Amino acid sequence: DAEITQSPRHKITETGRQVTLACHQTWNHNNMFWYRQDLGHGLRLIHYSYGVHDTNKGEVSDGYSVSRSNTEDLPLTLESAASSQTSVYFCASSRTGDTGELFFGEGSRLTVL
Amino acid sequence: QKEVEQNSGPLSVPEGAIASLNCTYSDRGSQSFFWYRQYSGKSPELIMFIYSNGDKEDGRFTAQLNKASQYVSLLIRDSQPSDSATYLCAATRGTASKLTFGTGTRLQVTL
Repeated sequence: DAEITQSPRHKITETGRQVTLACHQTWNHNNMFWYRQDLGHGLRLIHYSYGVHDTNKGEVSDGYSVSRSNTEDLPLTLESAASSQTSVYFCASSRTGDTGELFFGEGSRLTVL
Repeated sequence: QKEVEQNSGPLSVPEGAIASLNCTYSDRGSQSFFWYRQYSGKSPELIMFIYSNGDKEDGRFTAQLNKASQYVSLLIRDSQPSDSATYLCAATRGTASKLTFGTGTRLQVTL
């Protein structure tokens, strides 16, 4: 079955370290998104991509970067982790021309100490 | 003002009752609207989407859209304890556009 997987599911890191969260989808979807979810803020968009080599900033992109070298993967990098980036991160994908429905990964819980 | 607003709840309804979840949006360019259900510790899963004014029914769920009032709602009939979750409303300008989410409404269905 096609799916979207995130790794690691849980990570603890220290302030200032670089962290990369992986996202891999097998639906061949053009569109991929990274959201973070925090209590009281809901899901907020970090970065998104509409295809290979395309990346765009969302509403909370500071301190994060992404790259899209193939259709299947959109890794999210925290260049220098900060305590404010402690959150649950969700990767999602969708197909252009479809309903716009997002298919979510299981989430990655990141703790920055 | 957030682009998509929801009452955070919790909304408590007895088993068997109708739960009414509401959402307003500020971007008049929004074309499609989604309701996701999220259980604690899990990822969101799609319940329904709607893009035309009026009602759309799917089993026990009915989505309602009023673009003039910029209002979207989700009705859950015959509420069950398994419906207890957070319900997220989302809006998008188009099928290739990003979704903007509300903060979610927590629903509690009591026995």
